[in-house]
Amino acid sequence: AQSVTQLGSHVSVSEGALVLLRCNYSSSVPPYLFWYVQYPNQGLQLLLKYTTGATLVKGINGFEAEFKKSETSFHLTKPSAHMSDAAEYFCAGILTGGGNKLTFGTGTQLKVEL
Amino acid sequence: EAGVTQFPSHSVIEKGQTVTLRCDPISGHDNLYWYRRVMGKEIKFLLHFVKESKQDESGMPNNRFLAERTGGTYSTLKVQPAELEDSGVYFCASSQGLTSVGETQYFGPGTRLLVL
Repeated sequence: AQSVTQLGSHVSVSEGALVLLRCNYSSSVPPYLFWYVQYPNQGLQLLLKYTTGATLVKGINGFEAEFKKSETSFHLTKPSAHMSDAAEYFCAGILTGGGNKLTFGTGTQLKVEL
Repeated sequence: EAGVTQFPSHSVIEKGQTVTLRCDPISGHDNLYWYRRVMGKEIKFLLHFVKESKQDESGMPNNRFLAERTGGTYSTLKVQPAELEDSGVYFCASSQGLTSVGETQYFGPGTRLLVL
């Protein structure tokens, strides 16, 4: 079945440390993949997306993600965490042909500590 | 440019009552989507409009849910009668409709529905 899996519902990092949020997918067709972020009391905001072409995708706020077909992964990274990065992060994909519906992972709550 | 707006932001109703959620997409966006997040679970697709037509309603849970998009602008999602398991956050998203697949969907802040 087509699915998106986020490993770790809660991730805690120190300010200045590397952020790594994991996302794996299962798809019967070449996927389109997205990372969204939700700050408290706000809607989901697009961080970055992979459609075709370059497999390393750069997004807003210093985040990037690499599409690895061999590993069916699309992990999100940021070299140095900032307190303002504390939020919930969602990996999502368009995993089936003929439509635009997003399939989401369960979300990862990122906590940034001093 | 205004983003996707949703009304109300919160709604608390009793089981058996009716609730109507509204979504105003970004102006000019042909595609409108509804999603729902039940507590502790993933965000799940409900349905997709292209202008006023339902393109995909495969995610609608049952016939207690009715979505409309008259005139191809704003959309409403009515739940009648509401059940306890309908509690959750209902998100609306829109996209332009210039490409067939892979367009960015812009999300609203969601409506938090609590059925008691």
